[in-house]
Amino acid sequence: GAGVSQSPSNKVTEKGKDVELRCDPISGHTALYWYRQSLGQGLEFLIYFQGNSAPDKSGLPSDRFSAERTGGSVSTLTIQRTQQEDSAVYLCASSLRSGQGRWRQYFGPGTRLTVT
Amino acid sequence: AQTVTQSQPEMSVQEAETVTLSCTYDTSESDYYLFWYKQPPSRQMILVIRQEAYKQQNATENRFSVNFQKAAKSFSLKISDSQLGDAAMYFCACENYGGSQGNLIFGKGTKLSVKP
Repeated sequence: GAGVSQSPSNKVTEKGKDVELRCDPISGHTALYWYRQSLGQGLEFLIYFQGNSAPDKSGLPSDRFSAERTGGSVSTLTIQRTQQEDSAVYLCASSLRSGQGRWRQYFGPGTRLTVT
Repeated sequence: AQTVTQSQPEMSVQEAETVTLSCTYDTSESDYYLFWYKQPPSRQMILVIRQEAYKQQNATENRFSVNFQKAAKSFSLKISDSQLGDAAMYFCACENYGGSQGNLIFGKGTKLSVKP
């Protein structure tokens, strides 16, 4: 089956504009994560969705960042009024979170966001 | 809060030789997973190896093995018979086992170069 997909692959936007990044998880995976990877840094947790539970937003850096997950599948990460420090690779991952193999997160290829 | 530290920003190894990448972590949890991920220039995060904290035996996966020292909170990765395709960023990560959050905490990474 298909892995985690993300779109767009690359996004260049002007400072102050809003952007939407999309993640399609592996079918049947109930958990979905967003991470941010700034240049030369490790991955930083942003937000976590698990089934129908309220998302864990504890990693979102500011109220300009929001995410939703429709129908327990596709997720969209929205950054409003983008700033240059938002430039990074945004990675999405999904996992089962129950049963055997629940520990394994499968990552998408990421979206490279550049704010000019 | 969990933290993961990789003290080697860059490492280099001769093809066919062995290299060890260091990682230390800090967590108050008693049960957790530890991971090594590989990230080539394609940005795709690839799981290299996983260790469950309750297991004393060090995990191995073909040419990759770990030295897990729970008391010292150390989790190093050994790559034997290094190949050109091993060149990549390597990230150490930790996740609480059975926690409600389940996100990975990453180190800042080690860039591995393999010389022919």
